[in-house]
Amino acid sequence: AQKITQTQPGMFVQEKEAVTLDCTYDTSDQSYGLFWYKQPSSGEMIFLIYQGSYDEQNATEGRYSLNFQKARKSTNLVISASQLGDSAMYFCAMREGGNYGGATNKLIFGTGTLLAVQP
Amino acid sequence: ETGVTQTPRHLVMGMTNKKSLKCEQHLGHNAMYWYKQSAKKPLELMFVYSLEERVENNSVPSRFSPECPNSSHLFLHLHTLQPEDSALYLCASSHLVFGVSTDTQYFGPGTRLTVL
Repeated sequence: AQKITQTQPGMFVQEKEAVTLDCTYDTSDQSYGLFWYKQPSSGEMIFLIYQGSYDEQNATEGRYSLNFQKARKSTNLVISASQLGDSAMYFCAMREGGNYGGATNKLIFGTGTLLAVQP
Repeated sequence: ETGVTQTPRHLVMGMTNKKSLKCEQHLGHNAMYWYKQSAKKPLELMFVYSLEERVENNSVPSRFSPECPNSSHLFLHLHTLQPEDSALYLCASSHLVFGVSTDTQYFGPGTRLTVL
């Protein structure tokens, strides 16, 4: 079964508008971490934002915020005031467990969403 | 140098060649990772090294051989590769702290490998 699902292969957004990228996950662990990464055409995977399963507040980091709905197992990324430089692939990832010894911090990635910001 | 660096950025090799990919992290982390990113497939974890010991090997063919001589350096030795091994190979590092779940992985720029 797919652990991380990103249902939007591609998205368009107008510059200065907000956009939401969807991500749902599947896990039976109580403790897990959720990550979003940005990958421009250059290839580097850039860490954007993190949400822990026990965090009660939605994570925010500058123009990035998460709409974390634990019961629905979704963690959607919201980018406010889009900029042309935001055009890239966006990956959602999950690390299961992690709160006990022996964790290897294995990340499971989704297939990504290609975001194109239009002027 | 800061962050995670990878060399070379691009590599073209024949199926009979032997080459190595290099990764170096300048973040003081204690864990390093190799990932493979093929077209239209999710990122796949290949190897994990924690404190210079290999702790994960995701059924990777033996033609890929990792080496971690110290906590800052990670190599991926390649020999007799196949064309389907052509992909972007990403290195990452993190600070594993058992009992804390916020150890984010930071990635390098990747090596784009083409096997002819």
